[in-house]
Amino acid sequence: DAGITQSPRYKITETGRQVTLMCHQTWSHSYMFWYRQDLGHGLRLIYYSAAADITDKGEVPDGYVVSRSKTENFPLTLESATRSQTSVYFCASSESTSAQGYFGAGTRLSVL
Amino acid sequence: KQEVTQIPAALSVPEGENLVLNCSFTDSAIYNLQWFRQDPGKGLTSLLLIQSSQREQTSGRLNASLDKSSGRSTLYIAASQPGDSATYLCAAPSGGSYIPTFGRGTSLIVHP
Repeated sequence: DAGITQSPRYKITETGRQVTLMCHQTWSHSYMFWYRQDLGHGLRLIYYSAAADITDKGEVPDGYVVSRSKTENFPLTLESATRSQTSVYFCASSESTSAQGYFGAGTRLSVL
Repeated sequence: KQEVTQIPAALSVPEGENLVLNCSFTDSAIYNLQWFRQDPGKGLTSLLLIQSSQREQTSGRLNASLDKSSGRSTLYIAASQPGDSATYLCAAPSGGSYIPTFGRGTSLIVHP
């Protein structure tokens, strides 16, 4: 199916563990983005990528790592999860810089 | 840094009313402004994209206007329906950037 897929949809982990959230898009869009959404803060950009092997920090990158070895995949890794990283994470892709095209359904992460 | 504010934060109206949702932004040197819809537990869906050279965009019962000089955009929903119940977010990039800053959204409930 065409689209943007995030996995897992739900994840519970413990403080200090490494967690990787996956994002896969089927359109070969150049641009991909990771956001977190929290009550009281709205959507905040974590990292973004303009093409394979090109990534850049967003507003709240601390504690996160990304990679983009293939155009269609953009995984987000929490190297050592903290309770403050409990959030809903959204991946997005777009074919140009003119608009945020498509969002995934989100991953709800709880860090205990 | 771009700041995006949405008023009201929440709105509850009877079916059939015409609605206006407001979005203001601090940096008027924007390439575009975009309105999204988010249903509970879901990702964002793009509704309307207004380029900086445009004054408004229409899609069905939705009309979005943009006034860069005053730093404002409005989303007009005609003849609201219960299916319009969702959170509506606007997003605008900072001047010279294509990376958008999101408002915190307006949560809309349309009751029968």
